[in-house]
Amino acid sequence: EAGVTQFPSHSVIEKGQTVTLRCDPISGHDNLYWYRRVMGKEIKFLLHFVKESKQDESGMPNNRFLAERTGGTYSTLKVQPAELEDSGVYFCASSQGLARQYFGPGTRLTVT
Amino acid sequence: GIQVEQSPPDLILQEGANSTLRCNFSDSVNNLQWFHQNPWGQLINLFYIPSGTKQNGRLSATTVATERYSLLYISSSQTTDSGVYFCAVAANSGYSTLTFGKGTMLLVSP
Repeated sequence: EAGVTQFPSHSVIEKGQTVTLRCDPISGHDNLYWYRRVMGKEIKFLLHFVKESKQDESGMPNNRFLAERTGGTYSTLKVQPAELEDSGVYFCASSQGLARQYFGPGTRLTVT
Repeated sequence: GIQVEQSPPDLILQEGANSTLRCNFSDSVNNLQWFHQNPWGQLINLFYIPSGTKQNGRLSATTVATERYSLLYISSSQTTDSGVYFCAVAANSGYSTLTFGKGTMLLVSP
C-alpha cells in the first residue's frame, strides 16, 4: 500500500512569490490534514478536510494560505504571496476515521 | 484546547545507554502518536498508542490514559536515534486534529 506522498520535497522561493504544495493521501482515506513546523518551533495544525469539505481550518495563519481538495482525493496548499516567516516544513497526513494519522515526508519550504 | 508537555526538552546520551521520554496531556484522548523527526526533517511514526503498551525492537511505549501520560523507552541507544521526538494527541472532546508537544531533542554520541 502506498503511503502519503508530498510534492515537492523541497522548494526555495523568493519573498512575494507563489508556491503550491501537493499532497496525495493514502487511497480511501477520507480525512486529510495539513500541519507545519516553522522556525524550529512545535508542529502546528493548519486544517482538516473530510473528503472535499473543510472540517476545520482554524489553524490557517492568514488569507495568504489557500487549501483545496479536488474531488476528495489529492490536496493542494497555496501560499501567495510567500513571506519569510512561512519557511518551514509542511506535513500532510491522512486517516480513515478517528484513527492513526499517516504522515507524508513533508515539503521543506525556504523563503528568501 | 488540550495541552501537551514533553520532558525532558533536551537529552544527551552515550551510545548504548537507555532513556525514557515522557508526555503529559491535559484531557482525555482518543489518539496518541509518537514520532521521530530525522535530520532531513521527515516525521517517522513510531507508535500509535492511545492506551496500553507496545514494543518495536529497541523502542517501546506505554500510555496510561487514566493518568494522562505516555512514556517512550529507548534501549541501547544508537547515534541514528538522534533527532527530535514528538508526542501528539487528539482530544476526545474535539476534532481529530493532533496537538503536538514541543518535542525532546535527543543527541546520542559515539
